[in-house]
Amino acid sequence: QKEVEQDPGPLSVPEGAIVSLNCTYSNSAFQYFMWYRQYSRKGPELLMYTYSSGNKEDGRFTAQVDKSSKYISLFIRDSQPSDSATYLCAMSFMSNDYKLSFGAGTTVTVRA
Amino acid sequence: ETGVTQSPTHLIKTRGQQVTLRCSSQSGHNTVSWYQQALGQGPQFIFQYYREEENGRGNFPPRFSGLQFPNYSSELNVNALELDDSALYLCASSLAFAGGAYEQYFGPGTRLTVT
Repeated sequence: QKEVEQDPGPLSVPEGAIVSLNCTYSNSAFQYFMWYRQYSRKGPELLMYTYSSGNKEDGRFTAQVDKSSKYISLFIRDSQPSDSATYLCAMSFMSNDYKLSFGAGTTVTVRA
Repeated sequence: ETGVTQSPTHLIKTRGQQVTLRCSSQSGHNTVSWYQQALGQGPQFIFQYYREEENGRGNFPPRFSGLQFPNYSSELNVNALELDDSALYLCASSLAFAGGAYEQYFGPGTRLTVT
């Protein structure tokens, strides 16, 4: 069993739709949770970072963490064609632990 | 402020050969991590370098080795290449102890193909 499992996708949604992305993890020692966006032929770029269980909002993006269920989600509201990318969840054990454990990624296409 | 750069962009090698990939850290950063991203997979942590020493390693064999230089640039060396080493190799730079694990900045990667 992989440490981090991510819904495989791909997802194709119309512009303006809400995109929902999900990851589960097996190791309850994970404490820090991140979402990265990766465009084709580019490196991952950080979108959201959360620590506590609950919701964190940043513009059109909402990250949700449920530590009791070992489940994290990312929601994208009012999706735009520019949101078309691969989304990766990542997590670490400590705040200064630079070893990140990633999910396999979900490719999202937003149709104009 | 310059971002993380990697060279070369693409590389084709033959099984059994050796390869060196290079990474220049973002200005002011002193830690470099290397990741392997196979097609359709998430990045897998290879190792991290801090102050020119290996500071953590993932589940990769010893034929994966690295260096960090005084200017904080870094190299990833892979010996005895295998077909499964074909992947995108990413480096990420950060400033140790200045922030959380999320404050890593990734380069665009080097695409290695082993034939």
